[in-house]
Amino acid sequence: GQSLEQPSEVTAVEGAIVQINCTYQTSGFYGLSWYQQHDGGAPTFLSYNALDGLEETGRFSSFLSRSDSYGYLLLQELQMKDSASYFCAVHNAGNMLTFGGGTRLMVKP
Amino acid sequence: GAGVSQSPSNKVTEKGKDVELRCDPISGHTALYWYRQSLGQGLEFLIYFQGNSAPDKSGLPSDRFSAERTGGSVSTLTIQRTQQEDSAVYLCASSLEGVHNQPQHFGDGTRLSIL
Repeated sequence: GQSLEQPSEVTAVEGAIVQINCTYQTSGFYGLSWYQQHDGGAPTFLSYNALDGLEETGRFSSFLSRSDSYGYLLLQELQMKDSASYFCAVHNAGNMLTFGGGTRLMVKP
Repeated sequence: GAGVSQSPSNKVTEKGKDVELRCDPISGHTALYWYRQSLGQGLEFLIYFQGNSAPDKSGLPSDRFSAERTGGSVSTLTIQRTQQEDSAVYLCASSLEGVHNQPQHFGDGTRLSIL
């Protein structure tokens, strides 16, 4: 089977840095993606890692260690609009995604 | 349109009725995916299309669920004899091709409520 573990909830203040971890157990691993979802909205793509290391896109960075079956999403200079749920997702054959349960991020003033 | 379009946005129906959900992917996207999301949960994979064929139907929860895609574009997900546990948000996504470095673009979903 496949499983992904991520914290259910994280709270941080505006301007801070927060890291959301994701560990996974899967067969046929092709990469790890992160998606953001605001309440009532559609998931939107943030990042994709296929190889070990750090990928940076503006205020967001994502890291992958395939040997440790571990990744994280790093959000810097937090803004109120970053309050949302963040999902890690493992890529399987055919680009099918297996999602984690999501981490609800609350940014406080 | 520019994004993935799903209809209806909301559907309320009685237990035992059949429902049909529609997804119109981004023009030119050959890969199409259906997921469902229960309240406060992650997304659960249902089925994947590459063109009009469905190489992976492993996520369909029961034989009451079926999906088709015609013309390499619009897809419909049909749930027969609905049950209360079918209540969820059904999300459709498309990507340019079914390859791993391409993001999936999601629609806003259909919120299905079974009474």
